[in-house]
Amino acid sequence: GAGVSQSPSNKVTEKGKDVELRCDPISGHTALYWYRQSLGQGLEFLIYFQGNSAPDKSGLPSDRFSAERTGGSVSTLTIQRTQQEDSAVYLCASSLDSGGADTQYFGPGTRLTVL
Amino acid sequence: GESVGLHLPTLSVQEGDNSIINCAYSNSASDYFIWYKQESGKGPQFIIDIRSNMDKRQGQRVTVLLNKTVKHLSLQIAATQPGDSAVYFCAENKNWGKLQFGAGTQVVVTP
Repeated sequence: GAGVSQSPSNKVTEKGKDVELRCDPISGHTALYWYRQSLGQGLEFLIYFQGNSAPDKSGLPSDRFSAERTGGSVSTLTIQRTQQEDSAVYLCASSLDSGGADTQYFGPGTRLTVL
Repeated sequence: GESVGLHLPTLSVQEGDNSIINCAYSNSASDYFIWYKQESGKGPQFIIDIRSNMDKRQGQRVTVLLNKTVKHLSLQIAATQPGDSAVYFCAENKNWGKLQFGAGTQVVVTP
């Protein structure tokens, strides 16, 4: 079956503009995660959704970052008034259930470049 | 504070040899660990996981060892192949699925 997909694969924007990044999780996966990976670094947790529960936003670096998940499936990560330090690869992952020990499957990521 | 980290940033291995990638963790309460492989331009790919009630787990050409006494995790790759060249991350399942990743180890397979 299809894996996690993300779009766009690359996004170049100017400082101060808003961007939206999209994630389509694996069908049937109830948990969805967003991570950020800066150049040559590990992954930094941003936010996760589990079913209809309120999302865990504890990893969002500032109030310029927000995410939503519509209908328990597709998710959009929005960054407002982008800054150069927002440049990174944004990765989405999904898992069957976030009981704590389910494998997270990652998408290919969106490479964001803020000029 | 709590952290997950790797000992070696780069590991050069000759094709056919075995590879060992190490990872240290500091949270003794951690109960689940995962190894991911990331090739250039791609998302992390699940390799193998292990729970804290186990010391060893084997997959196809890979073995993960967990030493809870010294809070150490390792990934062994048997008969390393050129396709094994990638960055390898260990990750700790910190809380309800939120993974904490180490910085990664670059594995370079030489002919």
